[in-house]
Amino acid sequence: EAEVAQSPRYKITEKSQAVAFWCDPISGHATLYWYRQILGQGPELLVQFQDESVVDDSQLPKDRFSAERLKGVDSTLKIQPAELGDSAMYLCASSPTGTGGETQYFGPGTRLLVL
Amino acid sequence: DQQVKQNSPSLSVQEGRISILNCDYTNSMFDYFLWYKKYPAEGPTFLISISSIKDKNEDGRFTVFLNKSAKHLSLHIVPSQPGDSAVYFCAASDRSNTGKLIFGQGTTLQVKP
Repeated sequence: EAEVAQSPRYKITEKSQAVAFWCDPISGHATLYWYRQILGQGPELLVQFQDESVVDDSQLPKDRFSAERLKGVDSTLKIQPAELGDSAMYLCASSPTGTGGETQYFGPGTRLLVL
Repeated sequence: DQQVKQNSPSLSVQEGRISILNCDYTNSMFDYFLWYKKYPAEGPTFLISISSIKDKNEDGRFTVFLNKSAKHLSLHIVPSQPGDSAVYFCAASDRSNTGKLIFGQGTTLQVKP
């Protein structure tokens, strides 16, 4: 069964350092999402891509976060500089077309700890 | 403004009994609802969904009920099994929009043997 791949699974960094997360969606899925999940809360959308274009990045802290999906396949989410409050699970999801009413499939996530 | 709320942080049930997880929403534009299950250190796994044109959807031991007038949905698990112990998230989307999912805070279900 096809799965969403993410790496690394765990990342420990010091504040003010740069970190990057990678996601490879299910093959053929046009839409890719990055979510952040803080402990005790539900996932919150950071950015949504349709192919290589950003559809929604309204909740992305653009002063420190950036995301790209250059060839419309895999994607990278970067944080620079990392802050203590960025400690969370970063989840990537994909769906076939990105239209409403469609199931999103999640990867295993990257657990980030900022010291 | 929490558009999707799961007001019970945790639920404990005995194996074989019914588990009922609840979810409320405020945005009347939401017309597609999903339930995800999440184990520690893993990503959410899709369980079951329901469109607003239905009031019930069933898949094996899992049934989701939707009450649009009350803006309320619930997930029933019958019979509950110890392997069902996990965090359950409900999520909602507006199909006329981008497909963005709005998640509740989650409910931790513990099924005791």
